[in-house]
Amino acid sequence: GQNIDQPTEMTATEGAIVQINCTYQTSGFNGLFWYQQHAGEAPTFLSYNVLDGLEEKGRFSSFLSRSKGYSYLLLKELQMKDSASYLCACMDSNYQLIWGAGTKLIIKP
Amino acid sequence: ETGVTQTPRHLVMGMTNKKSLKCEQHLGHNAMYWYKQSAKKPLELMFVYNFKEQTENNSVPSRFSPECPNSSHLFLHLHTLQPEDSALYLCASSQVDTSSGANVLTFGAGSRLTVL
Repeated sequence: GQNIDQPTEMTATEGAIVQINCTYQTSGFNGLFWYQQHAGEAPTFLSYNVLDGLEEKGRFSSFLSRSKGYSYLLLKELQMKDSASYLCACMDSNYQLIWGAGTKLIIKP
Repeated sequence: ETGVTQTPRHLVMGMTNKKSLKCEQHLGHNAMYWYKQSAKKPLELMFVYNFKEQTENNSVPSRFSPECPNSSHLFLHLHTLQPEDSALYLCASSQVDTSSGANVLTFGAGSRLTVL
């Protein structure tokens, strides 16, 4: 079956760096997405990786290794507003999105 | 108004009620989606409309009935729901382009449904 695994919850300190991991098993692969969802709000698109390597966007970076079925989202210089859930989703060979359950990130001062 | 708008934001209904959720997108996208989000579970895709044609129905119970009158509006009609249907219902839209694969979804803020 198809499956996405990511940690349920993580805690980090303001100003620090945190890495949120995501492993996937899907029927084919057409890219991996990360979304951010603040409590009570819409998920918003953060990144899309389809080739191996690191994509950097300001304080956020996303990494993909297709051979390992693995991705991570790296958040630097953490701010309190980064407290949110981070959703990993993989697009399979039929262009269907397979979602993880999300990682709730708690930032402490 | 821009983005994806969902109404109502909160809805409480009894098991015998009939209600509808509404979604409107102002992005010119050609696909719209209904997702169910329950606590600590992955997003569950319920329905997909491409160019107003329903292309996905992931074994959703018939007490949920979608309607897509045009490419900008999407409804989810609710009838005889069960308490386990209580969840956040998210609408999303996208511009589908299978040649690039990067089908980025724009979500609404959701309708929080409680079934008593």
